[in-house]
Amino acid sequence: ETGVTQTPRHLVMGMTNKKSLKCEQHLGHNAMYWYKQSAKKPLELMFVYSLEERVENNSVPSRFSPECPNSSHLFLHLHTLQPEDSALYLCASSQETQGSTEAFFGQGTRLTVV
Amino acid sequence: AQSVTQLGSHVSVSEGALVLLRCNYSSSVPPYLFWYVQYPNQGLQLLLKYTSAATLVKGINGFEAEFKKSETSFHLTKPSAHMSDAAEYFCAVRAPAGKSTFGDGTTLTVKP
Repeated sequence: ETGVTQTPRHLVMGMTNKKSLKCEQHLGHNAMYWYKQSAKKPLELMFVYSLEERVENNSVPSRFSPECPNSSHLFLHLHTLQPEDSALYLCASSQETQGSTEAFFGQGTRLTVV
Repeated sequence: AQSVTQLGSHVSVSEGALVLLRCNYSSSVPPYLFWYVQYPNQGLQLLLKYTSAATLVKGINGFEAEFKKSETSFHLTKPSAHMSDAAEYFCAVRAPAGKSTFGDGTTLTVKP
């Protein structure tokens, strides 16, 4: 596989469930990101990791917990979510967190909280 | 601080017509600028980027954009729209030592 792969593509979960989103990049990039894309809202940057270290956390509720075990994998652990958390969650990677390098995005996980 | 404004959340053109999607930016330092495209139920894909070399940048699928410093603009154009161009388009700005900021997106509809 090449590029950025996200699993699952679709997820329906109850508000009391615990689930995890997985992202894997095969590009040798040093930076990885989680974005939230809700209908009629701008793209929201949630977390940034550089060389497995979290470098940014944009006031995201604690019910979202990221994990970056190595530079190729990124997880987003979910628990006790709210219906307003339903959205498309996009993972991305880039060579670095700065400079002119562009982001490569996965296809996203469509999350529905019921 | 930096910001990006995409003028027009929806643009509709006829097949074969010119596509013009507008992006204006604000940045305290010379920025890098990007256009991404997102097809339904997909992630974002890079169309083109400006990195302070040529001001006219050519991208994939026949798209191009021109960096105009005096107007703080980076509008995306394509001479002739195709049905397959229907998608959402995002402009993004990044300062050399900073993170990317995305615009709100413009949905392009192409009418037959």
